[in-house]
Amino acid sequence: DTAVSQTPKYLVTQMGNDKSIKCEQNLGHDTMYWYKQDSKKFLKIMFSYNNKELIINETVPNRFSPKSPDKAHLNLHINSLELGDSAVYFCASSLKGGSYEQYFGPGTRLTVT
Amino acid sequence: AQKITQTQPGMFVQEKEAVTLDCTYDTSDPSYGLFWYKQPSSGEMIFLIYQGSYDQQNATEGRYSLNFQKARKSANLVISASQLGDSAMYFCAMREGSASKIIFGSGTRLSIRP
Repeated sequence: DTAVSQTPKYLVTQMGNDKSIKCEQNLGHDTMYWYKQDSKKFLKIMFSYNNKELIINETVPNRFSPKSPDKAHLNLHINSLELGDSAVYFCASSLKGGSYEQYFGPGTRLTVT
Repeated sequence: AQKITQTQPGMFVQEKEAVTLDCTYDTSDPSYGLFWYKQPSSGEMIFLIYQGSYDQQNATEGRYSLNFQKARKSANLVISASQLGDSAMYFCAMREGSASKIIFGSGTRLSIRP
């Protein structure tokens, strides 16, 4: 069974569109994350939720809005997509924050044309 | 300033040899954790090993060990008896204090030659 799943795996869309990426974890973890990996493979945290509460919000354009309907789900909605949003977006979860390792989803490759 | 530095963008190693991937970190917090992740060409991020700043012994997980040198602020990953399947990007990462946030290094691309 997949521990951390993301949909869709690939997303190709045009500039200006709005899109969402969904993430679900079945590990019973309290903390979930969104990361962005750029074309140079640099991985940077965007958001983190602990038990549905936002605890990390890095300097991310407010076109990006995470939503956590329950602690097993963390979705990412992106408004007015731009070319620079093209990247691989990873969802991750950990038992709690801090020292616990994070388990990553398979990633969503977003291409904005 | 870079918090996590991986100075080797790419490495080539002969199969069955041991390999060391370098990682140095920068923090003033006495409590921190260090992680290594593997990203094969298929793209997923795989957790390999964790070292806490107060851990007395170097972490080991199968063929992976972490050479933790606190005074030097280095946390090198050692892979013994490398295999073709070890070819991947390897990321070093750090958590400061009790924060949930993990900061990643720029990665090292490891290629194992048969």
